[in-house]
Amino acid sequence: QQQVKQSPQSLIVQKGGISIINCAYENTAFDYFPWYQQFPGKGPALLIAIRPDVSEKKEGRFTISFNKSAKQFSLHIMDSQPGDSATYFCAASGIQGAQKLVFGQGTRLTINP
Amino acid sequence: DAGITQSPRHKVTETGTPVTLRCHQTENHRYMYWYRQDPGHGLRLIHYSYGVKDTDKGEVSDGYSVSRSKTEDFLLTLESATSSQTSVYFCAIRAGTAKETQYFGPGTRLLVL
Repeated sequence: QQQVKQSPQSLIVQKGGISIINCAYENTAFDYFPWYQQFPGKGPALLIAIRPDVSEKKEGRFTISFNKSAKQFSLHIMDSQPGDSATYFCAASGIQGAQKLVFGQGTRLTINP
Repeated sequence: DAGITQSPRHKVTETGTPVTLRCHQTENHRYMYWYRQDPGHGLRLIHYSYGVKDTDKGEVSDGYSVSRSKTEDFLLTLESATSSQTSVYFCAIRAGTAKETQYFGPGTRLLVL
């Protein structure tokens, strides 16, 4: 019940295209859903996060779509750029208390110039 | 890296030897976390701390112990390292305006031979 399943494992998108990464969770107690971006040799960095009281959150070219009834959320990267090439992780947790993040398996995104 | 340092950054050790990894923060954050990152598994929580001498287990705590005798330092110890503990270890702190964001350190790459 603690799993977060992420797909696809890898994704290749042309420059200017839309990158879409999907995640599904099982634990209905989760109420905090962040996305992290990680470059090789670096620690993960928070990209954008959403709470379940909204269905969509947009920050620049990055959008999270959230479907509470389906227990799914996704990251959309509009106008994808070569600098977006990185590994992306979704995660979920309760926001109160210890906030023990459960991560998806990761998606390696490559943006071709 | 949100004022987080990890040491050492790289370590090679032999099976059966004890290993201690250090996480140091400069901003007096209450919550600190240790994760391990392995291909196909994303990041998995090992242990976390919610104050000096207050720690608890995460998802993959077997074979690991932690200590926090000062607010700024969170130590992860592998009592007797095994090859299955070869991994990249990340420390995180919880901060941000609403204290809901985890910020990750640069990581420690550990190889157990």
